[in-house]
Amino acid sequence: EIMLTQSPGTLSLSPGERATLSCRASQSVSSTYLAWYQQKPGQAPRLLIYGASSRATGIPDRFSGSGSGTDFTLTISRLEPEDFAVYYCQQYGSSPPFTFGPGTKVDIK
Amino acid sequence: QVQLQQSGPGLVKPSQTLSLTCAISGDSVSSNSAAWNWIRQSPSRGLEWLGRTYYRSKWYDDYALSVKSRITINPDTSKNHFSLQLNSVTPEDTAVYYCARDFFSASGWNGLDVWGQGTTVTVSS
Repeated sequence: EIMLTQSPGTLSLSPGERATLSCRASQSVSSTYLAWYQQKPGQAPRLLIYGASSRATGIPDRFSGSGSGTDFTLTISRLEPEDFAVYYCQQYGSSPPFTFGPGTKVDIK
Repeated sequence: QVQLQQSGPGLVKPSQTLSLTCAISGDSVSSNSAAWNWIRQSPSRGLEWLGRTYYRSKWYDDYALSVKSRITINPDTSKNHFSLQLNSVTPEDTAVYYCARDFFSASGWNGLDVWGQGTTVTVSS
């Protein structure tokens, strides 16, 4: 089973600043099946990025994903007030079981 | 527009079976371009993928190792829904349960793009 770790645990930033979130896998993620989700309190997670770097439908271009193998990054170029939330990475695809990272909370400084 | 609507009890007694249903609108449970997943979330375990079912000329399912001996995910083509059954529950199974779709396109799997609203399930006597 592939384990995912995320860092930092909490990121305190101001609106307009750049956020850089990291996700590391215990072994290589096949075919770049790495996704990022945003979750706000009381809501289901929302898909932001799939295939490590493809934005899901309706996701603003301030969200971008990069990486391959075992190291992946989610970048929010300029934080909007609605971006303060918890972000999870997930490895998925053809080889279950699939796993989520523990999350990074982006809160207002 | 694809939507998933969850239903099922919010309270289950220890040792009994947790049963939830996810009704699909705007897509088909037997689509060749989707897989239908169950995920749960608790403070102690975070987000945990439980399993999926999908149709590719025949039905397939995959399950997480942590629940493999206790879980069944069943599609129902007549009602266009899929269900989760988790046997022999304990308080450790207390969580918010979600159903979700994984969409498959020419470029491969695309992540969990549609989610149900979530069901809080408490295991307690």
